[in-house]
Amino acid sequence: GAVVSQHPSWVICKSGTSVKIECRSLDFQATTMFWYRQFPKQSLMLMATSNEGSKATYEQGVEKDKFLINHASLTLSTLTVTSAHPEDSSFYICSARGGFNEKLFFGSGTQLSVL
Amino acid sequence: DAKTTQPTSMDCAEGRAANLPCNHSTISGNEYVYWYRQIHSQGPQYIIHGLKNNETNEMASLIITEDRKSSTLILPHATLRDTAVYYCIVRDNNAGNMLTFGGGTRLMVKP
Repeated sequence: GAVVSQHPSWVICKSGTSVKIECRSLDFQATTMFWYRQFPKQSLMLMATSNEGSKATYEQGVEKDKFLINHASLTLSTLTVTSAHPEDSSFYICSARGGFNEKLFFGSGTQLSVL
Repeated sequence: DAKTTQPTSMDCAEGRAANLPCNHSTISGNEYVYWYRQIHSQGPQYIIHGLKNNETNEMASLIITEDRKSSTLILPHATLRDTAVYYCIVRDNNAGNMLTFGGGTRLMVKP
């Protein structure tokens, strides 16, 4: 099946620093990628939808200036958590879809811990 | 997307069939039923999906009722590695939208 690679798997950073998470589709071109966030013992919550070559669409309550999304190519989307704070500590997961009606495949997730 | 209702948790003995139910009484004609699972600290893994007919693959079987208001995911011979949270999701493929996750069912396979 299709493979979505997410990097890094985990990151620890100091408060106030920025962290970039990469999501790559390895064997297909992803026209759309989705970014989710998951807190402990909770379900996945959609943060934003990114389409290649256009601005991301953010869900209500998600700060676009804090969570910068770039989808510059059909195989790569990045999420940058700017000026991270301890409350941003969470499990971030990306997913990618090839065609419009294709099923979604998920990355392995990134555990972010902000000290 | 229509919402789904699943039991919060279930137990299953190793080697036995695990039957995970899902209610989706407001499902529309264009919406597919998808099942994903999430093993601790990993991204969700696709299992199976269907529209009307029952489906089977190497991982599981999906039984959809005739009125499409509910479905059951069957893991025929559960192993300890099947312990995970299982999410039932309905999605309109033609809308090209994202997946909306509910609470899922936490399946515990016990030896």
